[in-house]
Amino acid sequence: ETGVTQTPRHLVMGMTNKKSLKCEQHLGHNAMYWYKQSAKKPLELMFVYSLEERVENNSVPSRFSPECPNSSHLFLHLHTLQPEDSALYLCASSQVVRGPTLPLHFGNGTRLTVT
Amino acid sequence: TQLLEQSPQFLSIQEGENLTVYCNSSSVFSSLQWYRQEPGEGPVLLVTVVTGGEVKKLKRLTFQFGDARKDSSLHITAAQPGDTGLYLCAGWSLIQGAQKLVFGQGTRLTINP
Repeated sequence: ETGVTQTPRHLVMGMTNKKSLKCEQHLGHNAMYWYKQSAKKPLELMFVYSLEERVENNSVPSRFSPECPNSSHLFLHLHTLQPEDSALYLCASSQVVRGPTLPLHFGNGTRLTVT
Repeated sequence: TQLLEQSPQFLSIQEGENLTVYCNSSSVFSSLQWYRQEPGEGPVLLVTVVTGGEVKKLKRLTFQFGDARKDSSLHITAAQPGDTGLYLCAGWSLIQGAQKLVFGQGTRLTINP
């Protein structure tokens, strides 16, 4: 069983819908991440919450809105998405200590399809 | 501009053959990580290499970090169908004032029985 759980596993939504992706980690880590994985493109970092500070990629459209109520839970709120937003959305966690060499632990992702 | 370039992007070979995949960059990394991702799952860490010239072995998998810490390779000996998956290299890089883990585009490996 993975230490990072994502729900739902699959989501189909229309462009006018509002939905949320949920991630929960049971590893006691202090940093959580959202990545987007599209076909033929590298994993793209969307948002990071590290030591309760949010770091974001400025190229992420405002129709994606993250929320991190505590160190164990992470949400990605979606509204008015476009078909090109269809992808696998991966949540990950890690322990931030002194150096950035510790691995990320990924969930199994939410496969999102925007119609 | 992609920080990490992986090659080949696709590789399909027969069981029992050997193979090498590469991860190259013009940037220096303090460490590089290799992950494997299977269908329907998230990436799972295989190894972290930290020291230039370092070689690490994980059963039939051999990982090497370049002397200049700009590149890495993964060599698989006597490939098995269970080695099938997407292999990703990743390195920590300072972007917009923060350390972020950036990934290559991956090598999709298929081992045919």
